[in-house]
Amino acid sequence: EPEVTQTPSHQVTQMGQEVILRCVPISNHLYFYWYRQILGQKVEFLVSFYNNEISEKSEIFDDQFSVERPDGSNFTLKIRSTKLEDSAMYFCASSGTVWAENHGKAFFGQGTRLTVV
Amino acid sequence: TQLLEQSPQFLSIQEGENLTVYCNSSSVFSSLQWYRQEPGEGPVLLVTVVTGGEVKKLKRLTFQFGDARKDSSLHITAAQPGDTGLYLCAGSNTGNQFYFGTGTSLTVIP
Repeated sequence: EPEVTQTPSHQVTQMGQEVILRCVPISNHLYFYWYRQILGQKVEFLVSFYNNEISEKSEIFDDQFSVERPDGSNFTLKIRSTKLEDSAMYFCASSGTVWAENHGKAFFGQGTRLTVV
Repeated sequence: TQLLEQSPQFLSIQEGENLTVYCNSSSVFSSLQWYRQEPGEGPVLLVTVVTGGEVKKLKRLTFQFGDARKDSSLHITAAQPGDTGLYLCAGSNTGNQFYFGTGTSLTVIP
């Protein structure tokens, strides 16, 4: 069964450093998402991406965050200057259709655990 | 932010027992999904409900969407150790953004 893959599985970085989290969505999917989950807290929406642009973003997704689809397969989340509070599990998801309108399935990756020290 | 409260937060039961998990909000959602998440892994979609009052069954799992589309329940019959995990509900009123609930951590003891 096709799956969303994320790399690395765990990244440790120093505060103030830039990090890039990578995702390979399912190949024929059109909608891509980043979510994060701080330890012990709920899953939070960051951003959705369609047709090579951001379609929605939450208040968490401020100027220090950016997303990119540099080629036909990868979808990346960049955090420019990491803060301690960015430590969390970051999940990438992809969907073949608009989530709520067509009730399409969304598939999540295994996540990248980001630790900022 | 649209808040989805799940109850109970933690649940520990014996194998073979039945249980119900609740997902409640003051907001109306156009659709609601239930996910199961295991430690260190991403959420896995179990079901989507879209119509008020809708009931969906997935083997021993029964999902119901409230008539007003503000709440949902997940009922598990004859729980098994393999049902252990974190159950998350998520609702949406827009095309792309889902709001996840606070989660219910279920442990089924053999």
